[in-house]
Amino acid sequence: QQQVKQSPQSLIVQKGGISIINCAYENTAFDYFPWYQQFPGKGPALLIAIRPDVSEKKEGRFTISFNKSAKQFSLHIMDSQPGDSATYFCAATTGTYKYIFGTGTRLKVLA
Amino acid sequence: DVKVTQSSRYLVKRTGEKVFLECVQDMDHENMFWYRQDPGLGLRLIYFSYDVKMKEKGDIPEGYSVSREKKERFSLILESASTNQTSMYLCASSSGTVPYGYTFGSGTRLTVV
Repeated sequence: QQQVKQSPQSLIVQKGGISIINCAYENTAFDYFPWYQQFPGKGPALLIAIRPDVSEKKEGRFTISFNKSAKQFSLHIMDSQPGDSATYFCAATTGTYKYIFGTGTRLKVLA
Repeated sequence: DVKVTQSSRYLVKRTGEKVFLECVQDMDHENMFWYRQDPGLGLRLIYFSYDVKMKEKGDIPEGYSVSREKKERFSLILESASTNQTSMYLCASSSGTVPYGYTFGSGTRLTVV
């Protein structure tokens, strides 16, 4: 029940396309859902986050869609660019300092 | 620029050696974490600490120990390194207030031969 299931494991998108990464959870006590972006040779960095009282949050080309009833949330990258090529992790927490991370999605955007 | 600094980017150690991985943060964060990252397995929590001299086991603590003698420093210790501990090790810190956003270091890639 503490798991966060992330898919797909890898994703290839053409430049200008939409990248979509999905996560699902079971624990309804989760109340904060961040996404992290990791470039090769670097640690993950916070990209965008959402709380379950909203269904969508947008920051530039990055959007989180949240479906509370389905216990799913997804990251959409609009107009994907080669510079977006990275590994993306979703995460969830119950309001404590311990995060549960998904297994990661390696995104490659083709020029 | 606030940051989490891991002392080594790459390490090669022999089986059976005692290995120390060091992490320092300059954000006065209460919480510090050690994760290992393996392809297809994501980020797995080894140990975390919510205060000086306090520690709690994460999901995969076997073969590891930690030390936090000062607030800014959190050390991961491999008591007797084994080849299955070859991995990328990531340190992170977070504040003691919601939403506890993590700041990660750049990682240490450890190879045990």
